[in-house]
Amino acid sequence: GQQLNQSPQSMFIQEGEDVSMNCTSSSIFNTWLWYKQDPGEGPVLLIALYKAGELTSNGRLTAQFGITRKDSFLNISASIPSDVGIYFCAGQLARSQGNLIFGKGTKLSVKP
Amino acid sequence: GAGVSQSPSNKVTEKGKDVELRCDPISGHTALYWYRQRLGQGLEFLIYFQGNSAPDKSGLPSDRFSAERTGESVSTLTIQRTQQEDSAVYLCASSLALAGGQETQYFGPGTRLLVL
Repeated sequence: GQQLNQSPQSMFIQEGEDVSMNCTSSSIFNTWLWYKQDPGEGPVLLIALYKAGELTSNGRLTAQFGITRKDSFLNISASIPSDVGIYFCAGQLARSQGNLIFGKGTKLSVKP
Repeated sequence: GAGVSQSPSNKVTEKGKDVELRCDPISGHTALYWYRQRLGQGLEFLIYFQGNSAPDKSGLPSDRFSAERTGESVSTLTIQRTQQEDSAVYLCASSLALAGGQETQYFGPGTRLLVL
């Protein structure tokens, strides 16, 4: 099936540092979404991107929809302990019915 | 409620038993999705309902898995003759299914299934 390559798989950073993670695909997507999942919870939407080249911010989070429509990145500035969790990228293929394809996640750990 | 709800939150069953998982989508959301998440993995698509259209079952891993949805409301995912490999978190999501395919899916908290 379709795959999204998400990297890095895990990160261990100091509080206050900036974080960057990305997803790439061999297929074209018309939607990119970034979710955060805390232990025992379902994924919570952080940012939604609908246009190639779109750059969107949500507080300390910034995400971009790659111009080729095959990639996206998520940046977190000035990380804090509550940023801990697993971040997933998800994409909807162009001309698809609606189901999302997920990356395998980036596990973020923050050292106080 | 305001969000997607799922029940039960946890389910432990014996191998070979049938289980039924329930999802209540956000009111007004016409699209409903089921995903499976194995430990430490991303989400795998299972099935998608959109209005009165035939569901997209392309993600169901075997004929032991089936799902139903009543109109644009509750959905149930049924796993027959459960196997240990079925142990996972089963997540439901719903969306408005806007024209043009640009839509955002909102997830429930999931049902954690453990097959002994």
